[in-house]
Amino acid sequence: EIVLTQSPATLSLSPGERATLSCRAGQSVSTYLAWYQQKPGQAPRLLIYDASNRATGIPARFSGTGSATDFTLTISSLEPEDFAIYYCQQRSNWPSTFGQGTRVELK
Amino acid sequence: EVQLVESGGGLVNPGGSLRLSCAASGFSLSSYSMNWVRQAPGKGLEWVSSVSSSSSYIYYADSVQGRFTISRDNAKNSLYLQMNSLRAEDTALYYCARKRSREGGSSAPDFDYWGQGTLVTVSS
Repeated sequence: EIVLTQSPATLSLSPGERATLSCRAGQSVSTYLAWYQQKPGQAPRLLIYDASNRATGIPARFSGTGSATDFTLTISSLEPEDFAIYYCQQRSNWPSTFGQGTRVELK
Repeated sequence: EVQLVESGGGLVNPGGSLRLSCAASGFSLSSYSMNWVRQAPGKGLEWVSSVSSSSSYIYYADSVQGRFTISRDNAKNSLYLQMNSLRAEDTALYYCARKRSREGGSSAPDFDYWGQGTLVTVSS
């Protein structure tokens, strides 16, 4: 199975700052990578699919880049509601796998 | 509005069985592959199982293969997960999730809509 490694584990930032989250795949997943946001007590929410496409209703401050094995989720200017855990997920091969998550916390 | 509502979770002894259900509304279930994804307490997300729109393709994670069975009833707008031989490590919140793309029933999914989950606790 394809292992996804997210870094850093925790990102401590202030509102208005830029957040840069990384996801590295153990082998190429082409651009078949998604990003999700999860807040406490809530289901995950799809942010980005196929590496760079924003899902319906997702604000433009969220952007995704990358291909093959290296991917980045960028939040251009953190809003208070953006403090959460972020997961990457690949759909290149079965089984579909998730990264372990990056927590974006208030500094 | 797309809604997915899971039910059927609870406390069960190791070795026991449980059947989860997911009621779908706001879209045509028969057009989409559907999935179960779980999250152990305080842990990350783990894909569990997928079934294509007409049940032609079914996939399981190695961790549940041979113990869990996914099924669907499009006429009842429902998805199911039969869980047998349950273990402590199956303890998790189980989410029902829709595959984003309607194309390629045999391709691995990403997930555009999720339910709120149903909690399964395996303990004596």
